[in-house]
Amino acid sequence: GAGVSQSPSNKVTEKGKDVELRCDPISGHTALYWYRQRLGQGLEFLIYFQGNSAPDKSGLPSDRFSAERTGESVSTLTIQRTQQEDSAVYLCASSLNLASEQFFGPGTRLTVL
Amino acid sequence: QKEVEQNSGPLSVPEGAIASLNCTYSDRVSQSFFWYRQYSGKSPELIMSIYSNGDKEDGRFTAQLNKASQYVSLLIRDSQPSDSATYLCAVNSGAGGFKTIFGAGTRLFVKA
Repeated sequence: GAGVSQSPSNKVTEKGKDVELRCDPISGHTALYWYRQRLGQGLEFLIYFQGNSAPDKSGLPSDRFSAERTGESVSTLTIQRTQQEDSAVYLCASSLNLASEQFFGPGTRLTVL
Repeated sequence: QKEVEQNSGPLSVPEGAIASLNCTYSDRVSQSFFWYRQYSGKSPELIMSIYSNGDKEDGRFTAQLNKASQYVSLLIRDSQPSDSATYLCAVNSGAGGFKTIFGAGTRLFVKA
């Protein structure tokens, strides 16, 4: 079946603008995750959603970052008033449940000028 | 102490050799363990999952888990230049409601 998809694949924006990144998980996966990966660095956990439970937002770096998920489908990650340090690849992953393996999308490369 | 630790490398092995990648974790109640491969500029892809003590083999890859010693390893037999990548260890921790923690990764270079 189809894997995790993300859009856009690349986004260039100006400092101070808002951006919205989208993730379509694998059908039937109840858990969805967002990560940030700066160049040459490891994965930085941002947030996860599990079914109808309250999301774990413990990794969001500031209140400029927010995410939503509609049921067990699409999720959007919004970054308000972007800063240059927000430049990174934003990865989305989904899994059947919180204990099972995660499958990653191709990522969105965000560049803030 | 980090929850999941890996040697950052780079680990360099000649083509045809066995590459051994190690990972230690701190949460004793961890239940699920995963190895991912990440090529430069690409997203991580799952190589193997392991849940029980012992070895699990899949082609040229063998995952080894020792819960008593809190380590998990990945062996790559007959290493190929195409195996050159960063390998991420991930541990599903039971603490705080089952969250998967990723290590920082080990960079592997296989020299032709």
